[in-house]
Amino acid sequence: EVQLVESGGGLVQPGRSLRLSCEVSGFTFENFAMHWVRQVPGKGLEWVSCISWNSKVIGYADSVKGRFTISRDNAKNFLYLQMDSLRADDSALYYCAKAKGTGWSYGMDVWGQGTTVTVSS
Amino acid sequence: DIQMTQSPSSLSASVGDRVTITCRASESITFHLSWYQVKAGKAPKLLISVASTLESGVPSRFSGSGSGTDFTLTISSLQPEDFATYYCQQTYSSPRFTFGPGTRVDVK
Repeated sequence: EVQLVESGGGLVQPGRSLRLSCEVSGFTFENFAMHWVRQVPGKGLEWVSCISWNSKVIGYADSVKGRFTISRDNAKNFLYLQMDSLRADDSALYYCAKAKGTGWSYGMDVWGQGTTVTVSS
Repeated sequence: DIQMTQSPSSLSASVGDRVTITCRASESITFHLSWYQVKAGKAPKLLISVASTLESGVPSRFSGSGSGTDFTLTISSLQPEDFATYYCQQTYSSPRFTFGPGTRVDVK
């Protein structure tokens, strides 16, 4: 069974850091690009970041660029999101998602259940 | 950056209705558009990729069309399980992929 399981969320003070992890199973992780997407409860989906299968191509939304770092460990089947200088508006449910097919064109076909990040003093 | 808009932002419909949601990109994205369904407490579900390709297991009452800047998601006969929020996403501008603001479909 294809599965993505996020972890690492929690309550953190503004300005502090948090690292999210996404453990994948059921497919050949090293063959697929991956994404992080977040959703504030009651609000829309916001694409956050993506990483190619070989980590050579990485992208960030303007809202997190310079503060968040995406990475992956293909040997361990893990995707990560290092979140630094956190702000209140980073509070959201964070999903990891698998890119469908090769490349980026076909959207995200497998999603985790998400991990909640709350930034508050 | 490519901006995505959707209309309407919400709509009320009845079971059996034909529902159409429009998504517009601020510049041409050719056919690089995906549609997702989001229900409360659930992870998003990919319905359609590259504008019109239905995901495996998605009912055929869902269809997508369009190219360039204008796209449409149609539900031919709304079913009770289709009440949800629908998002489009452009997959053209690598590696930055934006979602539309969503269209909520609720019970009339």
